[in-house]
Amino acid sequence: GAGVSQSPRYKVAKRGQDVALRCDPISGHVSLFWYQQALGQGPEFLTYFQNEAQLDKSGLPSDRFFAERPEGSVSTLKIQRTQQEDSAVYLCASSENRGQGQPQHFGDGTRLSIL
Amino acid sequence: GIQVEQSPPDLILQEGANSTLRCNFSDSVNNLQWFHQNPWGQLINLFYIPSGTKQNGRLSATTVATERYSLLYISSSQTTDSGVYFCAVPNAGGTSYGKLTFGQGTILTVHP
Repeated sequence: GAGVSQSPRYKVAKRGQDVALRCDPISGHVSLFWYQQALGQGPEFLTYFQNEAQLDKSGLPSDRFFAERPEGSVSTLKIQRTQQEDSAVYLCASSENRGQGQPQHFGDGTRLSIL
Repeated sequence: GIQVEQSPPDLILQEGANSTLRCNFSDSVNNLQWFHQNPWGQLINLFYIPSGTKQNGRLSATTVATERYSLLYISSSQTTDSGVYFCAVPNAGGTSYGKLTFGQGTILTVHP
C-alpha cells in the first residue's frame, strides 16, 4: 500500500504561533514514531505510540510539544507558542509491530520554519 | 544511551568510483538500518540488516554485530547517489519498541 504520508510538506509560522503537523502511517502499522531533524544533524527521537497509547515521550524538548494518535492511526504533533529553535524537519515513521525487530518506514517530513 | 559513529563525515567521488561507508555502535543491537537522505530531504530505506550481508543492485551492506559495526558499499557510483547516508540502531534503554538512534551521517557527493 501507500507509504507514510506527512502534511504539510512545508510550514512557515511566526514566533508565538501554534502549529499542527500530521502523519498518516502505513495502514495497519502498530508503531508510530516522531523524530526531529535539525539542519546538518541526524534525526532525533521525540515520541512513540503503540496503537493509540503514547508509551514514550522522553524526547519531546518542552511542554510546548504535544502529540496524539487518538484512534491508533493518524497522528498529530502540535507545537504551541513556537520559538525559532523549533525550526527543523519533523519526520514520522511507522513499523508493523511493536518490537525492535521491525524496520521503520519514514515519511517525507514537514520542514518547519519559525520566523 | 547507545552511541553511533559514522565515517567518513564527507566523501567526494567521481562517477563510476566505488566507496565504503562505516557505522560503529557502542552496544550490542538486534537490528540496524541504513538510509539515504536525498537532496529533497526524503529518507529512503536502503537496508534493514541486523547481521550478515545483503545486496540490492549496486549497493550492499554487511553488519558484524559481534564487533559492533556495519559497512555500506556503493559500487559504480552515480550522481543520483549523492546525499546523506545514515545508519541507525535501536536505543533499547530498557524498551522493547526500538526507537532509533542515528549517526551523524556521511555526506556523499558524486561528480559527473
